[in-house]
Amino acid sequence: GESVGLHLPTLSVQEGDNSIINCAYSNSASDYFIWYKQESGKGPQFIIDIRSNMDKRQGQRVTVLLNKTVKHLSLQIAATQPGDSAVYFCAENLRAAGYSTLTFGKGTMLLVS
Amino acid sequence: DAGVIQSPRHEVTEMGQEVTLRCKPISGHNSLFWYRQTMMRGLELLIYFNNNVPIDDSGMPEDRFSAKMPNASFSTLKIQPSEPRDSAVYFCASRIQGAADGELFFGEGSRLTVL
Repeated sequence: GESVGLHLPTLSVQEGDNSIINCAYSNSASDYFIWYKQESGKGPQFIIDIRSNMDKRQGQRVTVLLNKTVKHLSLQIAATQPGDSAVYFCAENLRAAGYSTLTFGKGTMLLVS
Repeated sequence: DAGVIQSPRHEVTEMGQEVTLRCKPISGHNSLFWYRQTMMRGLELLIYFNNNVPIDDSGMPEDRFSAKMPNASFSTLKIQPSEPRDSAVYFCASRIQGAADGELFFGEGSRLTVL
């Protein structure tokens, strides 16, 4: 899995399998989390988000799980497709002095064959 | 909406030259962010603005980097003089920041190569 500040891991899956991408975030005060997908040559695109008062949120084929006890976030992609091949980033939102910023992890590359 | 618009998409320049990257945020968004992406360091926040005012520029590498936001629809990131280690993809992003922060929308990035 991925952790903010570490190297870029790679997850290889077969088409149709379920994929799980993990992320360890750094700040227990973070109140909002987002998963982004970045395809080659493009900017990061929003996939799904979750607020800190939730532990699970589902979208279309994607589910995000949040475990605040261990500061862990995961992204589950059901029935992975070749078009899902990309780098996936988790981001944590932290408020300070009335403003907020998003800090990104290094990303996980998902390869679907 | 056209999304966040960045220009140029690609720039190749020589060391010592001035580089200016431009960004038009999504209309109605009140926060604008500049990020730099490299393989070694990932996505790094350089600076962000709220209501056109720079809030935190602690991520700006050094005095060679400067950013401005003269109005709600335009921002620039300038590097003068540029160095080879500045080669990276620079992303601009915008969002609505308020009581409940919204997602961050990214532009397609400006790929900078400094020779």
